[in-house]
Amino acid sequence: EDQVTQSPEALRLQEGESSSLNCSYTVSGLRGLFWYRQDPGKGPEFLFTLYSAGEEKEKERLKATLTKKESFLHITAPKPEDSATYLCAVQRTGTASKLTFGTGTRLQVTL
Amino acid sequence: GAVVSQHPSWVICKSGTSVKIECRSLDFQATTMFWYRQFPKQSLMLMATSNEGSKATYEQGVEKDKFLINHASLTLSTLTVTSAHPEDSSFYICSARPLGTGTEAFFGQGTRLTVV
Repeated sequence: EDQVTQSPEALRLQEGESSSLNCSYTVSGLRGLFWYRQDPGKGPEFLFTLYSAGEEKEKERLKATLTKKESFLHITAPKPEDSATYLCAVQRTGTASKLTFGTGTRLQVTL
Repeated sequence: GAVVSQHPSWVICKSGTSVKIECRSLDFQATTMFWYRQFPKQSLMLMATSNEGSKATYEQGVEKDKFLINHASLTLSTLTVTSAHPEDSSFYICSARPLGTGTEAFFGQGTRLTVV
């Protein structure tokens, strides 16, 4: 069974204080690893897809990296508007392509 | 691009009535749409996968007679919660995968269902 574990569960940062969120996964054949951002009462917003170990993607203050066992979402010099829950999900090869989600990291960035 | 619209955003209904939630891909065609349920401070739990023109595939433990899914076109899927009860109150979210891709799925804004 595919498993996705995210840590920490919650993270509070001051504006400008960089940090990383972790997503550990177990899947029998990774097709893709996804990062989403979810604001309260909203649906997830797509951020990145990573396909193979060593791959990196960046978007503004966010950078996602992937190894064979985990992914990191690095947040550089965060701003209050980066406050949200960040979700990680995996997709296994050879399936109908459904995603298995972790429970997310709730990020709060304060002034 | 890649916009998924979900309607309504919130709904309150009486116990025993049925509620229909629509999920539309606005600027792309989607062969596959997914329906999720999310409880407060918990992750998304997949309820079912629907493919245009065929019956939905339900996850284990999801009552297919209670949660009716119809995927009538490449841009529209509906979820009907039949004979709703207070325990069905939750946040329901759909996602759609663009035709010709096997990976990225884009999400609607979610529907908050409250059954009283």
